[in-house]
Amino acid sequence: NAGVTQTPKFQVLKTGQSMTLQCAQDMNHEYMSWYRQDPGMGLRLIHYSVGAGITDQGEVPNGYNVSRSTTEDFPLRLLSAAPSQTSVYFCASSFGTPGQGAGATNEKLFFGSGTQLSVL
Amino acid sequence: GDSVTQMEGPVTLSEEAFLTINCTYTATGYPSLFWYVQYPGEGLQLLLKATKADDKGSNKGFEATYRKETTSFHLEKGSVQVSDSAVYFCALRGSARQLTFGSGTQLTVLP
Repeated sequence: NAGVTQTPKFQVLKTGQSMTLQCAQDMNHEYMSWYRQDPGMGLRLIHYSVGAGITDQGEVPNGYNVSRSTTEDFPLRLLSAAPSQTSVYFCASSFGTPGQGAGATNEKLFFGSGTQLSVL
Repeated sequence: GDSVTQMEGPVTLSEEAFLTINCTYTATGYPSLFWYVQYPGEGLQLLLKATKADDKGSNKGFEATYRKETTSFHLEKGSVQVSDSAVYFCALRGSARQLTFGSGTQLTVLP
């Protein structure tokens, strides 16, 4: 089972360069999301999508773009990398759109193994 | 807004010791509460969850009870193993419908 696949695993960029972090899932999940993980700050939501063609901003969206043209793929684009974007990035997906309380749909998030990005 | 506060690590224990990792939260309404675990070099995995007050989530010998009166969801295990060494994240899903994570607690278990 492939699950959630992220590429690349490691990347070094220079300030101002652009790149795309790839995320693909083979579980037919509607919901996909991107988090960044920084020391002492846990995971913070960057962008998320509740289905193909639908995206929305999370807690820290500035400097990042996303699109969702297919159910399987949810790439994260850095248009002009900055040192403040040095972080570990995780893609995650779940079967249903997150809900609340006992009536929620499947709330289990499946995570990729992460991309370690350094911006010099 | 929603927030999660975890005890600061790192935590180092000997094998078979008792583990407690404290987690408290701030949220409106009735959030769902989660513990996720991140093993070295891997993404996070759901360890256990509880969706209403007084529910106890359990998995792999770990337990946590949803305490609304103290807004807490402490993680416990009676006898840790070396293989439990990982980073543990407390999280909640509240009215915003997105997961809010704590800062994580690094656990190292020595043989």
